Amino acid sequence: DIQMTQSPSTLSASVGDRVTITCRASQSISSWLAWYQQKPGKAPKFLIYKASSLESGVPSRFSGSGSGTEFTLTISSLQPDDFATYYCQQYNSYPITFGQGTRLEIK
Amino acid sequence: QVLLVESGGGVVQPGRSLRLSCAASGFTFRRYGMHWVRQAPGKGLEWVAVIWYDGSNNDYADSVEGRFIISRDNSKNMVYLQMNSLRAEDTAVYYCARGNPPNTPVDVWGQGTQVTVSS
Repeated sequence: DIQMTQSPSTLSASVGDRVTITCRASQSISSWLAWYQQKPGKAPKFLIYKASSLESGVPSRFSGSGSGTEFTLTISSLQPDDFATYYCQQYNSYPITFGQGTRLEIK
Repeated sequence: QVLLVESGGGVVQPGRSLRLSCAASGFTFRRYGMHWVRQAPGKGLEWVAVIWYDGSNNDYADSVEGRFIISRDNSKNMVYLQMNSLRAEDTAVYYCARGNPPNTPVDVWGQGTQVTVSS
């Protein structure tokens, strides 16, 4: 199985900050990586696919990059609605696997 | 709009069975693969199972292989998860989600249904 490791596990930031979350795969997954945002008690929301393609309706302050084994999710200017937990997911091969999550909290 | 609505969750004793259902609407269901993903209390997301758009193939996480069965009825726009020999560690919110294997992400999620395995 492909292991996905996110860092950091928790990130404290302020509104207006630029933040970056890293996701590493235990083997190459090409660009078959997605990012999700989840708020407490809610289903995950689909943000990015194929490592860097923004899902329709997702604000342009979100961006993704990377290929192979190292990927990043960047939020260019944090808004109050962005404080949530973020997950990466590889869909290169089954079983699909998720990172353990990065909790983005208000500083 | 695209909608997935799960049902069938509840409290069940260890070793018993439960069947989850997911009703899909707002898209051409028969063209999409469907997944189940779960989230234990306070934990991250864990993929459980997938079924291909036509039901011709499926795959399972090792943690549920041999105990859970995913199925679908394209005439009713429904996907199911039959959960047998339930264990305490199966306690989670179960999400139904859309995604076409092999190289398409999960893009639409239901609201989830809670399954609690406890004596």
